[in-house]
Amino acid sequence: AQKITQTQPGMFVQEKEAVTLDCTYDTSDPSYGLFWYKQPSSGEMIFLIYQGSYDQQNATEGRYSLNFQKARKSANLVISASQLGDSAMYFCAMSPNSGGYQKVTFGTGTKLQVIP
Amino acid sequence: KAGVTQTPRYLIKTRGQQVTLSCSPISGHRSVSWYQQTPGQGLQFLFEYFSETQRNKGNFPGRFSGRQFSNSRSEMNVSTLELGDSALYLCASSLAGQVSDTQYFGPGTRLTVL
Repeated sequence: AQKITQTQPGMFVQEKEAVTLDCTYDTSDPSYGLFWYKQPSSGEMIFLIYQGSYDQQNATEGRYSLNFQKARKSANLVISASQLGDSAMYFCAMSPNSGGYQKVTFGTGTKLQVIP
Repeated sequence: KAGVTQTPRYLIKTRGQQVTLSCSPISGHRSVSWYQQTPGQGLQFLFEYFSETQRNKGNFPGRFSGRQFSNSRSEMNVSTLELGDSALYLCASSLAGQVSDTQYFGPGTRLTVL
């Protein structure tokens, strides 16, 4: 069985500051993908970033980067230069590469609030 | 390019009724997945359709069913509604449903069962 743990139910960050959202995972699958999604109050899940378990480099997408530490089974999301529009729920998720999205597991989420 | 659309956005039903939700994927995407999101259980995978065939199914009772049409549009049906079915139902599409494919989500349908 696989498990995703997000230990920060809520976080505050000052506008223009960087923030790190924690995510640890547990899986017995040798090959898997890790994802981060943003969910504003409107409800839509927005894909932010993907990291494959065999990727050597940490993934980056604009202001988002994923700090992947395979040995520690952590996949923290770093948001640089926070903006007011970054206020939302953030979900970490993982899925083994075999079996498609059937086995995708989501964390419980972190609510980020950006303060002006 | 148009995103994933879901209709209706909001729905109120009573126990015992049935409901049908619709999802139109991004043009060219052949995989459509459905998820249920509740405060208590979080996000849970319901099922995935690819080329009109259900390819994967989550751990939900048979009251939850779906289908996909030749244009990749998908519908999800819940029969004999229960109070616990109140949730946000999210649809997501991807090119082929591979984990390395980016999933794009729709805005969701918020179902309230009274």
